[in-house]
Amino acid sequence: EAQVTQNPRYLITVTGKKLTVTCSQNMNHEYMSWYRQDPGLGLRQIYYSMNVEVTDKGDVPEGYKVSRKEKRNFPLILESPSPNQTSLYFCASSPRSLRENEQFFGPGTRLTVL
Amino acid sequence: KQEVTQIPAALSVPEGENLVLNCSFTDSAIYNLQWFRQDPGKGLTSLLLIQSSQREQTSGRLNASLDKSSGRSTLYIAASQPGDSATYLCAVSTGANNLFFGTGTRLTVIP
Repeated sequence: EAQVTQNPRYLITVTGKKLTVTCSQNMNHEYMSWYRQDPGLGLRQIYYSMNVEVTDKGDVPEGYKVSRKEKRNFPLILESPSPNQTSLYFCASSPRSLRENEQFFGPGTRLTVL
Repeated sequence: KQEVTQIPAALSVPEGENLVLNCSFTDSAIYNLQWFRQDPGKGLTSLLLIQSSQREQTSGRLNASLDKSSGRSTLYIAASQPGDSATYLCAVSTGANNLFFGTGTRLTVIP
C-alpha cells in the first residue's frame, strides 16, 4: 500500500532532550516536507526537500533540523525541544514539485514538550 | 505573502443537504489549489487538485471550482452524509516548494 508513515505517533518529552521523528514514504517520491499544525494557525511548513541531499527552510524552521540521505526517509530532528514546539506534526510527500502534483500526508505525530 | 482564508470556521447541516465550503486567497499567482479532508487524530487526505488553468474538478459527490482572478475556490458537497463530517482544508501552491493552507472549516452532518 502506498503510504507515508511517521513514528512515533505520540511523544511526550521534556525541555532540552533531543528527539527525532521519522518519516518514510514508499512511493519513490522526490519531494518531501514537514509541517506543524497549531490551533488557529493552520499548517505551516517547517522544512522541505526536493531530492536526496537537497533540503531548504520553510516558513518556521527555527529549532528544527532535517536530513535527506535516502529518497524514502526524511527525519525531523529537534536538538533541544522547547514547550513552544508542542504541536501536531505532519510529514508529506509528492512525486515532484508542488506545481503539478498533489501531496500525500502521513498520519501525524502529536508532540508534547514539558 | 499568500494568505488563505476559509469561512465559516464551522458548519452544521442536516443529512442530505447540499453544501458549499469557501476558500479565498490573497495572491492570484498560484499554480494549483488543493482541497483536503482531515479526520480527528488522523492525517490529511487529498480530495481534489485543481491546476491554475482549470476551472473545476469533480470526484463523486464533490465538485471544486477555482476562480483564480478573484482569488476564490469553492468545494461543493452534494447529498451530504454523516461520514462527510470532518475538517476541510484548502491549500494553494505558489511555486515548486510552497503550499499555503487555510485554517479549515469543520463540517458536521447531522443524521
